[in-house]
Amino acid sequence: ETGVTQTPRHLVMGMTNKKSLKCEQHLGHNAMYWYKQSAKKPLELMFVYNFKEQTENNSVPSRFSPECPNSSHLFLHLHTLQPEDSALYLCASSLAGGFIAFFGQGTRLTVV
Amino acid sequence: AQSVTQLDSQVPVFEEAPVELRCNYSSSVSVYLFWYVQYPNQGLQLLLKYLSGSTLVKGINGFEAEFNKSQTSFHLRKPSVHISDTAEYFCAVVRGDKIIFGKGTRLHILP
Repeated sequence: ETGVTQTPRHLVMGMTNKKSLKCEQHLGHNAMYWYKQSAKKPLELMFVYNFKEQTENNSVPSRFSPECPNSSHLFLHLHTLQPEDSALYLCASSLAGGFIAFFGQGTRLTVV
Repeated sequence: AQSVTQLDSQVPVFEEAPVELRCNYSSSVSVYLFWYVQYPNQGLQLLLKYLSGSTLVKGINGFEAEFNKSQTSFHLRKPSVHISDTAEYFCAVVRGDKIIFGKGTRLHILP
């Protein structure tokens, strides 16, 4: 248990579906991150939020839409995904400006 | 630009044998280095970190790593592995305000 909780743990969705991934932390952190982990590829940073403001969008397609309503919650809204978007999506948190990130267990996403 | 290279994608090792997982980084500035571990079906967990000070860093589960500036390396070691060490290990370096991860090394423990 790292203090960062992701739901759901597994998700199967069709290419026309809309779904959302949720991440929650109660560590008092004020920076939150979305990473994508695909087979045989390095971890890819997708989005960064500092104090609820998006500070990084790493050229992510618009079919991925993040939302950070407060410092404890982070969402990733998904729509019209492609099969190549199937991956493990990891959420992480840290103190803003700090380098040590705590990770959630991830959501295994399969797009069919 | 900073980057991190993990030279081995997989490392098999017998139980109770020593292991070294290699990591090299490229950087011309001060570095902050990390090793993370990912157990099957889990997220990443911080194993150890080097921010400054002693170049030999001890982490959890009996792991340690040595920062070698002249060789730009931060290799991870354990003197005697256990079956529970089966996992993927990621070396990471800070670039700006972001953590950049290597591709990972999968550690296979053989009985």
